[in-house]
Amino acid sequence: DAGVIQSPRHEVTEMGQEVTLRCKPISGHNSLFWYRQTMMRGLELLIYFNNNVPIDDSGMPEDRFSAKMPNASFSTLKIQPSEPRDSAVYFCASSPTATTDTQYFGPGTRLTVL
Amino acid sequence: KQEVTQIPAALSVPEGENLVLNCSFTDSAIYNLQWFRQDPGKGLTSLLLIQSSQREQTSGRLNASLDKSSGRSTLYIAASQPGDSATYLCAVKYQAGTALIFGKGTTLSVSS
Repeated sequence: DAGVIQSPRHEVTEMGQEVTLRCKPISGHNSLFWYRQTMMRGLELLIYFNNNVPIDDSGMPEDRFSAKMPNASFSTLKIQPSEPRDSAVYFCASSPTATTDTQYFGPGTRLTVL
Repeated sequence: KQEVTQIPAALSVPEGENLVLNCSFTDSAIYNLQWFRQDPGKGLTSLLLIQSSQREQTSGRLNASLDKSSGRSTLYIAASQPGDSATYLCAVKYQAGTALIFGKGTTLSVSS
C-alpha cells in the first residue's frame, strides 16, 4: 500500500495567491482528516470528512480556507487568498472508518507564504 | 477547553538510558489516548493506543501507561538508542468519531 499521498511536498507562494493542497487517502479508507502544524499551536485539526461528507469543519480558521472531497480517493484544501500566517505544515490523514482509532498520516505539505 | 500538555518540550539523553515522556490532559473523560512518533520532515506514525478502559500498552521497548483519574499518561522508552531520536506526540480522543487533540510534543535526542 502506498500510504496517504500528499502533493506538493513543498509550496512557496506570495501573499494573496491561491494555494491548493492535495491528498489521496489510503484505498478503502472512509474518513479523511486535514491537520495544520505550527511551532506555536502544534498540530490542529482543520476539517474531517466521513464518506466524502464534511463532518466537522470547526477548525477551519476562516473563509479563506475551503476543503472538498469530490470522491473517496481525492481531497483538496484550498487557501484563497493566502497570507504569511498560513505558513505551516499541512497534514492529511485517513482511517478506515470514522470510529477507527488509528489514523494514518501523509508526509505533509510544507507551505511558505511570503 | 480540552487541552493536552507535554513536558518537557525537549530532552537529551545518552544512549542506553531509560526515559519517561509525560502527557497530561485537562478533561479525564477520554475515549482513548495515542502516542505518535514524528521524524523530521515526515508524517506521524502511531506507536501505541490505550483505550479508556486500559491501564497500559506495550510494544517492544515502549510502554505507555494511562491514569485517567489524574489526567496523565507516560511513555516509557527502555534502553534508548540513537534511532529513537524524534518528536513524540500524545493525542487524546474524547468520543468515537471525533478529532484527535494533540500535545505539542517532546523532541528527544539520544546521543551515541
